[in-house]
Amino acid sequence: DGGITQSPKYLFRKEGQNVTLSCEQNLNHDAMYWYRQDPGQGLRLIYYSQIVNDFQKGDIAEGYSVSREKKESFPLTVTSAQKNPTAFYLCASGYQGGYGYTFGSGTRLTVV
Amino acid sequence: GENVEQHPSTLSVQEGDSAVIKCTYSDSASNYFPWYKQELGKRPQLIIDIRSNVGEKKDQRIAVTLNKTAKHFSLHITETQPEDSAVYFCAAIYGQNFVFGPGTRLSVLP
Repeated sequence: DGGITQSPKYLFRKEGQNVTLSCEQNLNHDAMYWYRQDPGQGLRLIYYSQIVNDFQKGDIAEGYSVSREKKESFPLTVTSAQKNPTAFYLCASGYQGGYGYTFGSGTRLTVV
Repeated sequence: GENVEQHPSTLSVQEGDSAVIKCTYSDSASNYFPWYKQELGKRPQLIIDIRSNVGEKKDQRIAVTLNKTAKHFSLHITETQPEDSAVYFCAAIYGQNFVFGPGTRLSVLP
C-alpha cells in the first residue's frame, strides 16, 4: 500500500465498545492524518499529527482519540462516545508542507 | 475560513469525450493543489498535482490548470475511458494541512 498500512481491513464493533484502528507508515513522513468517509461523501478530518507526541483535532474529533508515540504509528480509537461510527476510515501521511501525501487502503468499520 | 469548493458534484460524459472538474479555494497562500481519484471502496490515489509557480501541467490524458489570481484550478481529462469512472477529489494545502473538495462522481458512458 505504498508504504502506509492500515489494519484491519474490516472491523465490527458492538454497541458501547471501544475499538482501535492501526495505521503504520515506513515513508519517514512527519505528518499523519485520519479521515472519515461516509457512503457517497467526501473526506472529513478527524485528527492530525505533525510531529511525535503532538496531535490536533480536526473537524469531527468528538468520540475519537489518537496517540503518536512513534513517528511510524498513528492509531485511532473509536470510543463508545461516537454514536454513529459506521464508516470508511482512511489514514494518510506526508512530509511537512503536504508533499508526498499518501493514503492507506482504509478500514471499514461497522457497528453490529 | 479555509474552504475548497468543487463543481460539478456529478458528471456524465460519453466515452471519448472530455471531462472538466473545477475547484476554487479561499486562501491565497495555498501553493500546492493535488487531485485524487477514488474508485469504489478503495483509497484515494494521487493522479496529478500542481504547484503555484506553474499554470498548467499535463500527464498523458490528464491535465491540471491553475489560475492563482482567480483562485481556481481545474482537472481536464481527454479521450475519456470507462476506467476513468470514479470519484475525483481536489485539495488545497492550508498551512500544514490539506482541505479537500467534496468530490465529483464521474461516469463515463460506453
